[in-house]
Amino acid sequence: DAGVIQSPRHEVTEMGQEVTLRCKPISGHNSLFWYRQTMMRGLELLIYFNNNVPIDDSGMPEDRFSAKMPNASFSTLKIQPSEPRDSAVYFCASSTGDATNEKLFFGSGTQLSVL
Amino acid sequence: GENVEQHPSTLSVQEGDSAVIKCTYSDSASNYFPWYKQELGKRPQLIIDIRSNVGEKKDQRIAVTLNKTAKHFSLHITETQPEDSAVYFCAASMGSNYQLIWGAGTKLIIKP
Repeated sequence: DAGVIQSPRHEVTEMGQEVTLRCKPISGHNSLFWYRQTMMRGLELLIYFNNNVPIDDSGMPEDRFSAKMPNASFSTLKIQPSEPRDSAVYFCASSTGDATNEKLFFGSGTQLSVL
Repeated sequence: GENVEQHPSTLSVQEGDSAVIKCTYSDSASNYFPWYKQELGKRPQLIIDIRSNVGEKKDQRIAVTLNKTAKHFSLHITETQPEDSAVYFCAASMGSNYQLIWGAGTKLIIKP
């Protein structure tokens, strides 16, 4: 298995532009997580899905952020409009089972820079 | 509120010595405590985890201990090697969804 696949690896955009990050979880995993990592705030959970259904989106910073999981093998995180403070590494992770207390398999991350 | 405190933020040890990183958590109902290692520019990877029905778990040079009464758990690395240099994160499951709450991370430096 190729593991969790994220794209793009790097994204540089200008303030106000729309950004879409993509994730393909490991086949057979029931749960998918979007995390944001910065030096100041560490690892923050933005949203997690179980069986394609959003379970907890309380970590989504504001309405500019949205996430979808149209099927078991694909998820997107969209930022519209983007702002410089959104610059961070965004990780997608997946796990087996229905609970959050299972091993997380992280993707390689997307380094986002908003100028 | 729900939080996990991790100490120290940076730890420098001589190669071959032991390293200990400690975390405390706020929710006595927490039942899952993983440790992740993140090398520079890489993804976090699980190195060991423990559940609340166990007090200690070992995997070769790595061990985790859990004290539920005191609400703290620790990562122990023995016979440290250069490849152990990384940032280590602890986490604890909390809340109605047993979400993982993460510590701020410890940068471990192994001196040759």
